[in-house]
Amino acid sequence: LAKTTQPISMDSYEGQEVNITCSHNNIATNDYITWYQQFPSQGPRFIIQGYKTKVTNEVASLFIPADRKSSTLSLPRVSLSDTAVYYCLVGPLPYTGGGNKLTFGTGTQLKVEL
Amino acid sequence: NAGVTQTPKFRILKIGQSMTLQCTQDMNHNYMYWYRQDPGMGLKLIYYSVGAGITDKGEVPNGYNVSRSTTEDFPLRLELAAPSQTSVYFCASGTGLDLSGEKLFFGSGTQLSVL
Repeated sequence: LAKTTQPISMDSYEGQEVNITCSHNNIATNDYITWYQQFPSQGPRFIIQGYKTKVTNEVASLFIPADRKSSTLSLPRVSLSDTAVYYCLVGPLPYTGGGNKLTFGTGTQLKVEL
Repeated sequence: NAGVTQTPKFRILKIGQSMTLQCTQDMNHNYMYWYRQDPGMGLKLIYYSVGAGITDKGEVPNGYNVSRSTTEDFPLRLELAAPSQTSVYFCASGTGLDLSGEKLFFGSGTQLSVL
């Protein structure tokens, strides 16, 4: 499984755009990139998933360069409620066989202030 | 829909005791997972299941057992509790068969302390 590296923590202010970058130099051809958000005392929540280029949904965008060795989660106009830990996961989708052994690293603690 | 439901929310065990953490999902998902999360750390996969009757080990299976007799239920069994098993346990489920992507749905967790 591809190893991921992301910053331990980031600080931001309300209304700013936040970009969290994840490095995954040994990503495999059939690996997808998935981001989860976790609030204290809760289970992680799916944010976004992509394979290449750019993916956008109602809460975030995911930018993946052509070499796919990194990815950037972009949160537009953050608010206090976006304070959470954000995890970058890289691995094959379950249907490719072998189940799902995605590993959650320590994540990035995002703190949003007024 | 309730999603993924875990019980109990909190539990204190004495060393050597046993218990079962319950997990139920009502989304008809084939894949189910058990993770543990130690303080300040990420989640580590204990066991997973790709369907009723099929289970496999994850990253940290020692000291745990699972069974999957139905699509809905995936209980986690601790036979001889040890202090090293003090952690927050999360159950999750996913379709496992979505060609457009896969998202996991997590329960709210069980906080377990072994003293």
